Amino acid sequence: GESVGLHLPTLSVQEGDNSIINCAYSNSASDYFIWYKQESGKGPQFIIDIRSNMDKRQGQRVTVLLNKTVKHLSLQIAATQPGDSAVYFCAENGDSSYKLIFGSGTRLLVRP
Amino acid sequence: DGGITQSPKYLFRKEGQNVTLSCEQNLNHDAMYWYRQDPGQGLRLIYYSQIVNDFQKGDIAEGYSVSREKKESFPLTVTSAQKNPTAFYLCASSSRERGETQYFGPGTRLLVL
Repeated sequence: GESVGLHLPTLSVQEGDNSIINCAYSNSASDYFIWYKQESGKGPQFIIDIRSNMDKRQGQRVTVLLNKTVKHLSLQIAATQPGDSAVYFCAENGDSSYKLIFGSGTRLLVRP
Repeated sequence: DGGITQSPKYLFRKEGQNVTLSCEQNLNHDAMYWYRQDPGQGLRLIYYSQIVNDFQKGDIAEGYSVSREKKESFPLTVTSAQKNPTAFYLCASSSRERGETQYFGPGTRLLVL
């Protein structure tokens, strides 16, 4: 389940289960959304993106869902593996031409 | 790391010293960014540049300076005016088109001696 840690909310899941990480975005003008994965001591890595003309997009073991009505974005990871343990950030483009607005992040812990 | 390099990986700063963090990209991107990340926190924008010889302050620019003399390079100087410089610094780049991904470098961890 989810819990709020000292800084980042944490999601703990059993290896092999599916994970769902949620993000509430802030700007109604946003039409581009990205999920990043950041492992400890490394830079954020692009996972998947979605544009506002879609409500679902699938990649390899990952799916992003977009609900523009409630300004909600989610990342689903199928068959979660230990290598999925990381901090996950969502980002939106707001009304800027190229700058991104980043969410505060969710830590995913995978239990063996 | 998508063609973006940052150096050094670790940097130590003495009190009152200015230090410069390097960021180079070979993605032919016009826009480059510097972010600061504190432990357990998200990303905060320090400076960004959309084209050579032009840059703008982000949300936490005080105590930092940048230059953009070449498209490929966007160095960040942490000046002595930055009183709490210990953090993880991330450089990113993107095209200037709306709705394009930012790609990040591996980061530089700055520590104060």
